[in-house]
Amino acid sequence: AQKVTQAQTEISVVEKEDVTLDCVYETRDTTYYLFWYKQPPSGELVFLIRRNSFDEQNEISGRYSWNFQKSTSSFNFTITASQVVDSAVYFCALSDLTTSGTYKYIFGTGTRLKVLA
Amino acid sequence: EAEVAQSPRYKITEKSQAVAFWCDPISGHATLYWYRQILGQGPELLVQFQDESVVDDSQLPKDRFSAERLKGVDSTLKIQPAELGDSAMYLCASSFEKGSTEAFFGQGTRLTVV
Repeated sequence: AQKVTQAQTEISVVEKEDVTLDCVYETRDTTYYLFWYKQPPSGELVFLIRRNSFDEQNEISGRYSWNFQKSTSSFNFTITASQVVDSAVYFCALSDLTTSGTYKYIFGTGTRLKVLA
Repeated sequence: EAEVAQSPRYKITEKSQAVAFWCDPISGHATLYWYRQILGQGPELLVQFQDESVVDDSQLPKDRFSAERLKGVDSTLKIQPAELGDSAMYLCASSFEKGSTEAFFGQGTRLTVV
């Protein structure tokens, strides 16, 4: 079954601390995509990253970095030197190829990050 | 910058009333999704369109929910009658074509049923 688990419900850190958000997935597919989205209080889902299952290279974008490990089915997200503006709910998602040839997303339950000044 | 438009942003309705949400995807996007996000949970797919055709509505409570995308562009999601448990954020998303893996989300409609 397709499943995404985000075991951390809520994390609080003090500004400038590093923080890692965990994501573990289950999939029957050999080719799949993993995503991270940020949901600020305004409600929209903001795309952060997409990773193809064949590309296990870690990626860094500014203060954000992602660690993809197929061996442990994990796709963890680290924010370095956190800022108050990073406060949001973060969702990990897995692509699910449907019988119609389109993709839909399977989302985790999200991790609420609070960065305190 | 192109974006997915949704309206209204907020809706309060009494239980047993009808309510409708509207979504206008990014121009040219063939695939349109409606997701429901209950407070404290991740979004879950309700219905997915490819152009004007429904390709997945397996999680849509069809006794009270309906969705249409008549001309393959904008879409309407309706609930009739609304129940207290329908209180949630309703998110619309679109993607360019059938095999696209990246979807763009609108700001959502936050529904409260009282």
